Amino acid sequence: SQELEQSPQSLIVQEGKNLTINCTSSKTLYGLYWYKQKYGEGLIFLMMLQKGGEEKSHEKITAKLDEKKQQSSLHITASQPSHAGIYLCGADFAETSGSRLTFGEGTQLTVNP
Amino acid sequence: DAGVTQSPTHLIKTRGQHVTLRCSPISGHKSVSWYQQVLGQGPQFIFQYYEKEERGRGNFPDRFSARQFPNYSSELNVNALLLGDSALYLCASSLGLGTRFEKLFFGSGTQLSVL
Repeated sequence: SQELEQSPQSLIVQEGKNLTINCTSSKTLYGLYWYKQKYGEGLIFLMMLQKGGEEKSHEKITAKLDEKKQQSSLHITASQPSHAGIYLCGADFAETSGSRLTFGEGTQLTVNP
Repeated sequence: DAGVTQSPTHLIKTRGQHVTLRCSPISGHKSVSWYQQVLGQGPQFIFQYYEKEERGRGNFPDRFSARQFPNYSSELNVNALLLGDSALYLCASSLGLGTRFEKLFFGSGTQLSVL
């Protein structure tokens, strides 16, 4: 979706390294969701951010929402092969409602042991 | 508890045929949404149903239709299949209408190949 840009498109890191994935919106964000997907499979919910400046963590994954920049970042600390997959951000835009999320194109993460 | 279940997991059809995909939401969830994910892209919203009524529709042609049953399960129908309909079709369920800040739970999807 051009309304939601993810960067980078793909990322290859060595196990143990930190990494950041960004998600930038061209429209006002009401909520921002992060999902992880294994190739050809369903989406696994990671985190949901509701307010500007909000930061959430789960295990070694931290996500932040910058309301001013309409941008979210997902940071993985000390990456492991189990972190490999496709990371998708999904936006709940202020002008819509319901479970109609607009997704970015995803970031393919490879973690080499 | 069972998660969102979708059937079949894989399907191969030829151009012009019709296909029906099925989804059972998590027990107690009343809202079902359908998404299409073409290879290399993020999922795109197709429909949302709540209490058997269509509550949202994405930018898809009329060849795509859906319905929700009294037990909250749902079917997605696609008529006159085109090669471009080849994709992973994802079903997501949520507790209520999916209003703000509700978590969407996704199934594993149905991989549709149109030859």
